[in-house]
Amino acid sequence: IAGITQAPTSQILAAGRRMTLRCTQDMRHNAMYWYRQDLGLGLRLIHYSNTAGTTGKGEVPDGYSVSRANTDDFPLTLASAVPSQTSVYFCASSPDAQYRLEAFFGQGTRLTVV
Amino acid sequence: DAKTTQPPSMDCAEGRAANLPCNHSTISGNEYVYWYRQIHSQGPQYIIHGLKNNETNEMASLIITEDRKSSTLILPHATLRDTAVYYCIVRVGAGGTSYGKLTFGQGTILTVHP
Repeated sequence: IAGITQAPTSQILAAGRRMTLRCTQDMRHNAMYWYRQDLGLGLRLIHYSNTAGTTGKGEVPDGYSVSRANTDDFPLTLASAVPSQTSVYFCASSPDAQYRLEAFFGQGTRLTVV
Repeated sequence: DAKTTQPPSMDCAEGRAANLPCNHSTISGNEYVYWYRQIHSQGPQYIIHGLKNNETNEMASLIITEDRKSSTLILPHATLRDTAVYYCIVRVGAGGTSYGKLTFGQGTILTVHP
């Protein structure tokens, strides 16, 4: 089934540990995004990628890094997790970053940092 | 991007039309109106978008006023599964910022009851 897949679905992580959230899409979309969702704060953009080989910072990039080595994959890395990074993380993709913003979202990764 | 205003919550009876309003009085000529929804614990789902003409797809209809300062999302025959948070987002279709940032506000909580 075509779509966007995130892994893991949930994780409990010790503070200070490194973690990579995986995101893969098979729709050949050029643009991909990482959002976090927290109660009362809505969805906030962490990082984005307009096309393979390029990335950019969103609203809340501190403590996170991304890479876009190919069209399909867009992993999000927490280099040294802190409790404030406890959140639900959503990966999304859209055909492009300007003209076609019909974004498809994954089912989310629920991360708890303790 | 223009700011949007939506009612915090609405109710609808199952089988009836749900009409969700959105005000975007500062919208400019090249900004599109996008609607997404988020069912509890799931990732956001794209519904529909438009520039100035009314739009319809298999999920919903989008009615945009002639002055484009407001719009209404119509779910013609609401079901219990349509209970969700509905987000109205205004976004530049081309030019402007170089990435497809979708700014999600607080949205409207639609509750469909039997």
